[in-house]
Amino acid sequence: AQSVTQLDSQVPVFEEAPVELRCNYSSSVSVYLFWYVQYPNQGLQLLLKYLSGSTLVKGINGFEAEFNKSQTSFHLRKPSVHISDTAEYFCAVSPQANNAGNMLTFGGGTRLMVKP
Amino acid sequence: ETGVTQTPRHLVMGMTNKKSLKCEQHLGHNAMYWYKQSAKKPLELMFVYSLEERVENNSVPSRFSPECPNSSHLFLHLHTLQPEDSALYLCASSYTGGEQFFGPGTRLTVL
Repeated sequence: AQSVTQLDSQVPVFEEAPVELRCNYSSSVSVYLFWYVQYPNQGLQLLLKYLSGSTLVKGINGFEAEFNKSQTSFHLRKPSVHISDTAEYFCAVSPQANNAGNMLTFGGGTRLMVKP
Repeated sequence: ETGVTQTPRHLVMGMTNKKSLKCEQHLGHNAMYWYKQSAKKPLELMFVYSLEERVENNSVPSRFSPECPNSSHLFLHLHTLQPEDSALYLCASSYTGGEQFFGPGTRLTVL
């Protein structure tokens, strides 16, 4: 089984400041890692994913994340945030050996609040 | 229509009502999913269908009944729900083993 912990339920930050949203996971098997964003009254949209290869992954809207296997972390970062980045961000994992769909386990979410 | 669509977007029902949520994907995927998103709780996977067969049922109460008539459509039939079932219900689809694409959700309120 897998579990995902997002340590911060809310992160307030001023516009144009850098931000890091933390994600740690626990799993007995190798996993794929994902970050999703949810804007108000909308479904989830994939920001980026780590499947293999380089541990630094770049996604949409200027976000990036780094996979750290020894620390079982996959923190999300952006060097300069915009008001439009205000949303809920979800970290998720799925076991690599899965032939029946992508069984995602989500963290509790982090609400990013960008202030002018 | 493109992507994953869900209807209705909002639903209010009494505990004795029977209603259904509909999800349709226009992406050619072969797996579909139902999730429940409650306030203060992580997203919970409810059901997974792959190639129109149910492959995962995460101990969901029987008052929720899924139906997948073909690879493009997924339903969630609701009956005798409880107020604690009020939540945002999200549908997603994917290729088997691939990334999931989500619909906008149905906001369900049970009175």
